[in-house]
Parts: sequence; C-alpha cells; structure tokens
Amino acid sequence: RKEVEQDPGPFNVPEGATVAFNCTYSNSASQSFFWYRQDCRKEPKLLMSVYSSGNEDGRFTAQLNRASQYISLLIRDSKLSDSATYLCVVASNYQLIWGAGTKLIIKP
Amino acid sequence: GAGVSQSPSNKVTEKGKDVELRCDPISGHTALYWYRQSLGQGLEFLIYFQGNSAPDKSGLPSDRFSAERTGGSVSTLTIQRTQQEDSAVYLCASRGTGQGPQHFGDGTRLSIL
Repeated sequence: RKEVEQDPGPFNVPEGATVAFNCTYSNSASQSFFWYRQDCRKEPKLLMSVYSSGNEDGRFTAQLNRASQYISLLIRDSKLSDSATYLCVVASNYQLIWGAGTKLIIKP
Repeated sequence: GAGVSQSPSNKVTEKGKDVELRCDPISGHTALYWYRQSLGQGLEFLIYFQGNSAPDKSGLPSDRFSAERTGGSVSTLTIQRTQQEDSAVYLCASRGTGQGPQHFGDGTRLSIL
C-alpha cells in the first residue's frame, strides 16, 4: 500500500457542479496536511492547509478525518479555471509524502 | 525576492555533459527540498536539507547526482555525465520552521539531447 493514495481520475465535471476527492494516508503519526494544485507544466502551488477542525476558503473546503486517515477537498460551483491536478501532501516532521494527484477537468 | 528562485529556467545540454541547477529559497526558510518531475508523473523526492544537519540523500537516483547547500541558503544540484533519462523538470521547495507548507520555485526544465 502506498503511503499516500489518490484516485488519479480524471474527474470530468460540468461547470457549476460540486466535486470532491479524497486522499488516504497510512502513517497515523502524520501531523500536517496540505492540498496543492498543479497546472500543466507548472510547479505545484499551495491551495490550502488542512486543519483538524476542517477549513474553508471561498468555494473550497478541506476536511481531515484522523480516525479513517484521509483528507478531503470539496470544490463548490466549479469553474473552468479549476481544471488542474490536485495533489495532497502529508507531513510528519520534515518528511513530506506527496500523493500522485487527481486530475480534474471542468467542462463548459 | 519573496519566493523561491530557481535558475536556469530551461537547460538543454548534450548527453554526457555535467549540469548545475541553482535554488535560492525564501529568506529565513531552514528546510530545502529538491524534487524532479517527468511529464505526466508525480513528484520524485531527491534530497532534503534542514539547517546544519546532514542532508537526507535517500532519493538521489544515482551517484551522478549530488547537491550542496552553502551557508544554509542557496543550494546547487549537480548532475554529472547526464543521460537522456535525466530529462525532467527539477523543482526546488523551501519550508519554514514548524509544520508549514512547502513553497516551490518555477523549476528548471532540463532536456538532455
């Protein structure tokens, strides 16, 4: 089993829809969690950190479920510009483990 | 600058040549990471520096790869006797103390002919 797993997709979603994807992790001692987005041929950019109580940033909501060892990302009212690959990162001290990413395609 | 700076942004070289890639992290960030990414693939961890500690070199794919971080700031990744399979985007990220996120540079796109 991989340390961090994501459904590679692609998720094909109509504009305006809500989409959610999960990221599971195997190390129960993991301490911090992040979602990044990566556009084609660009570097990953931080989307949001994931806090224990869950957090929201505009149309984006991140949740952490420690008991089941996964984090989730929910995108509401999806825009064409949300098309990208979404990567989760799970950190234990200095060690950061990256998921391989979930590709999201928003269709008009 | 405010962000992580990498140079060159693009490098094309012949097989067998040596290359040096540079990363200037965010000022004050103690942790520095090198990754590489081939087209359509995930990030591949190469090496990690934290302050004055010995670096974690566990991701370096062969002894042709080495990296330094001088004065706890700028880092150089060196690839000797380049091979075509070394072609990839090389990404550098820095991280402040604590449990914060990584911040990436724009990467160096390396092409070996």
